[in-house]
Amino acid sequence: QVQLQESGPGLVNPSGTLSLTCTVSGASINTNNWWAWVRQAPGKGLEWIGEIYHSGSTFYNPSLQSRVTISVDMSDQFSLKVSSLTAADTAVYYCARATVERLIDLWGQGALVTVSS
Amino acid sequence: DIQMTQSPSTLSASVGDRVTITCRASESINNWLAWFQQRPGKAPHLLIFKASSLESGVPSRFSGSGSGTEFTLTISSLQPDDFATYFCQQYKSFPWTFGQGTKVEIK
Repeated sequence: QVQLQESGPGLVNPSGTLSLTCTVSGASINTNNWWAWVRQAPGKGLEWIGEIYHSGSTFYNPSLQSRVTISVDMSDQFSLKVSSLTAADTAVYYCARATVERLIDLWGQGALVTVSS
Repeated sequence: DIQMTQSPSTLSASVGDRVTITCRASESINNWLAWFQQRPGKAPHLLIFKASSLESGVPSRFSGSGSGTEFTLTISSLQPDDFATYFCQQYKSFPWTFGQGTKVEIK
C-alpha cells in the first residue's frame, strides 16, 4: 500500500523559505506518475502548487512559479521550497500522487506551516 | 485559469437523504473532473474521476454525472460518514483548479 508523508518545520519566518519533504512508502518515485504539492489555507479551498516527474520535469502554478521549486531528492522522496514567504502562505501543505492523466489519486496527511515571526 | 464554482457552499441534510452538489466550470473541461471528500483535519479522498467513474473502494451511493461545464455529485442515501466537505477539481487545463468546496452538515 502506497503512502505519502510530509515533513518539515511547522513555523517559518516572514520573508524566509519554506522547505517540506514528502516521503513515499510502498513504492518508488520512479514510476509512471507525477508527484504534486497542493495547499489549503485555513478555512479556504485547495490550491495546486506544482508537480514533478521522476525525470525532473516540472510544472508550476503560474501564480506561485517565481517562488516555488519542486525537486526529487531520492527514489522515495521529493521536496518543495517556497521563498519570500508572507502570512498568506500559511496553510496545510499536502503532497500527492497523480496519474499520467494528472488525476490526483493519493494524498498525504498534510503538514501545517505557519508563517509568523 | 479555469474557474470552478460549486453550489451550494453549505448543505444541511439528514441521514438517508438524497444529496446533490453542483460544480460549474468557466469553460469546457470535457469530462476531466474529479470529486474529493475531505473530513475535518484529514486529507482529501478521491471519490469520482472522469466525471462519472467511481474510484475503487468508494461506496456505490456516490455517483457523478455531467460533461462540458456542468457536473453533479450525488449521494443517494446520506450516511453518518458522509458529513464532510466535497471539492471538485478540473484536470483538463493547466493549472489544475479546485472548487471552493461544499460542506454537508447534519440537519
